[in-house]
Amino acid sequence: QKEVEQNSGPLSVPEGAIASLNCTYSDRGSQSFFWYRQYSGKSPELIMFIYSNGDKEDGRFTAQLNRASQYISLLIRDSKLSDSATYLCAVNMEYGNKLVFGAGTILRVKS
Amino acid sequence: NAGVTQTPKFRILKIGQSMTLQCTQDMNHNYMYWYRQDPGMGLKLIYYSVGAGITDKGEVPNGYNVSRSTTEDFPLRLELAAPSQTSVYFCASSYGGTGGWDEQFFGPGTRLTVL
Repeated sequence: QKEVEQNSGPLSVPEGAIASLNCTYSDRGSQSFFWYRQYSGKSPELIMFIYSNGDKEDGRFTAQLNRASQYISLLIRDSKLSDSATYLCAVNMEYGNKLVFGAGTILRVKS
Repeated sequence: NAGVTQTPKFRILKIGQSMTLQCTQDMNHNYMYWYRQDPGMGLKLIYYSVGAGITDKGEVPNGYNVSRSTTEDFPLRLELAAPSQTSVYFCASSYGGTGGWDEQFFGPGTRLTVL
């Protein structure tokens, strides 16, 4: 069974702080990794993808991939109230671009 | 571009009824997908298609059928609805490149309740 695991949260951080979201995956052969954000009652939207070991930065967001540990993380710097959402980790484990999603981590940014 | 559109937005079905969830994309994407999302859970892949005339099962295909007669449309058919099919259904599409990553664009979802 190919699995993607996330802590469901909620993770609460104060405005302006760094939020750290984590994800592990079971299939060592996985190709690429995605972070989607989903606001309540809305559809998921892509924040970042990563496929090389190490860090990838885009504005306030940094995705980190450690293939040896089968671990992905998303750091959100200078957290804003509008970052409050569910963050879904997704892994491309098979040819054909099929994604396996984690259950998501709820992030709450407090003022 | 409208992106990925889905109809209906909401639907209540009785046990044993059938219905078709519609999905259309105007981005000329090759790949299309159907997911379901249960409360507090991630998305589970039901069916996907890599092009017109080609479909394949995902993780949870039982109780569903699909067809892909055109690039734009990918309807999902529910036969003999059961309470276990109560969920939010998302359609998605992607270009389908072979570079190892491929952004999927999601429709707004259909909230289905089976009573």
